[in-house]
Amino acid sequence: GAVVSQHPSWVICKSGTSVKIECRSLDFQATTMFWYRQFPKQSLMLMATSNEGSKATYEQGVEKDKFLINHASLTLSTLTVTSAHPEDSSFYICSARVAGTNEKLFFGSGTQLSVL
Amino acid sequence: DAKTTQPPSMDCAEGRAANLPCNHSTISGNEYVYWYRQIHSQGPQYIIHGLKNNETNEMASLIITEDRKSSTLILPHATLRDTAVYYCIVNSFGGYSTLTFGKGTMLLVSP
Repeated sequence: GAVVSQHPSWVICKSGTSVKIECRSLDFQATTMFWYRQFPKQSLMLMATSNEGSKATYEQGVEKDKFLINHASLTLSTLTVTSAHPEDSSFYICSARVAGTNEKLFFGSGTQLSVL
Repeated sequence: DAKTTQPPSMDCAEGRAANLPCNHSTISGNEYVYWYRQIHSQGPQYIIHGLKNNETNEMASLIITEDRKSSTLILPHATLRDTAVYYCIVNSFGGYSTLTFGKGTMLLVSP
C-alpha cells in the first residue's frame, strides 16, 4: 500500500521557537493532504486541509498564522508551528490520498511535539 | 456531531475473535463505512471499508447490516498486537473530503 512518511517522529523545543514537520507521500502523488492534532487520550482533530499549489484551508479555531502549511509539490506538505508554546505540545499527524481517486486515506506515523 | 457510536472499550482473549460494533443510524446512501485503528503513539492504520456488502481482507471482516445502520468489524484471531483504538467512520469520500474521527473503541487483547 501507499506510504506516507512523516518527519521528525518527535521533537522537543523551547517556547518561542518554530518547528517544521514534513509529510511526504513516498510512492504516490497527493494533491491534498490533511493535518490532524491529537491531545493525550483524545481523538484526532482535523486542523487543516493542504492543497498543492494553493492556500491551505483551516478548521474553525485553528490559527493560520501560527500553524503555517505549505504544499509546494505533489509529494510534500509541511506544517510549521510558529512561536511554539507549551499548550502546542501535542501529537501531529498528516494524511494523504492518492491524487485523482477516492481511495482510502493513508496516515503518517505522527510527530510528538513537546514545547518546554 | 458524531455520526457513529461505538463502545468506549472492549476486552478480548488472545486467539479469540474480536467483534467490534458500530452504530451509524443516520448514514446516507452514498456514505461508506471505514474502519481504522491506532496503536499507541502511531498514526491511524487503515483496516477495511465497505458500502453495503460484507467485505473481507487479510486483516479483518466487515459485516454491514442490510439497512446499513450498523456494522461489525471482526478480527478473526486477535493477537496482542491488535490492542489499539478502533475507529468506525462514515464518509462519502469524494472530492476533498477527509475523515472525521470519533472516540473509537479501545480494544485490549489479553493473553
